[in-house]
Amino acid sequence: DIVMTQSPDSLAVSLGERATINCKSSQSVLHSSNNKNRLAWYQQKPGQPPKLLIYWASTRESGVPDRFSGSGSGTDFTLTISSLQAEDVADYYCQQYYITPITFGQGTRLEIK
Amino acid sequence: EVQLVESGGGLVQPGGSLRLSCAASGFTFSSYWMHWVRQAPGKGLVWVSRISSDGSATSYADSVKGRFTISRDNAKNTLYLQMNSLRAEDTAVYYCARYSCTGGPCYGYMEVWGKGTTVTVSS
Repeated sequence: DIVMTQSPDSLAVSLGERATINCKSSQSVLHSSNNKNRLAWYQQKPGQPPKLLIYWASTRESGVPDRFSGSGSGTDFTLTISSLQAEDVADYYCQQYYITPITFGQGTRLEIK
Repeated sequence: EVQLVESGGGLVQPGGSLRLSCAASGFTFSSYWMHWVRQAPGKGLVWVSRISSDGSATSYADSVKGRFTISRDNAKNTLYLQMNSLRAEDTAVYYCARYSCTGGPCYGYMEVWGKGTTVTVSS
């Protein structure tokens, strides 16, 4: 199984500042069929289901604000929120869809400092 | 509007059974692979199972293999999860989620999620 490890487990950032969440996979999720990384990011607010933010490691889902961006390749990935807004307080998860079993990171809780 | 609505959760004793349903609307259900994902109270997301668009291919997490069965009825636009031999550690909110299958091959990131149904296994 591919193990996904996020860091940090929790993060407190001031409003308007940059937030960075890291995700490392135990093996590469770069697929040779299309040379794309099979890595997605989700946001989950309390009491709500997860919401897709980013797929293919860096493609923003329709409707997601452009302050959210994804980067990285192979085994190391980053979710960046360029200017934190109050509504961004949530848990964030990375997920690999390279192979089954599909696996998620343990989550990162983002709060306002 | 694209929508997934789970139902069938509840309180069940250890060793019991439950069948979850996920009603799909607003899209061509029969064209999409589907997932079940669960989240124990205060914990992270855990993938449970997935099924191909025609139901011919299924996969399971090791923790549920042999106890849970995923299926679908494309005529009824409904996904199912039959859960047998339930354990306390199966207590969770269970979400159904849709693969991305737009414009060709299907990929396993989860574009659409239901609101979830709660399963509690306790005596």
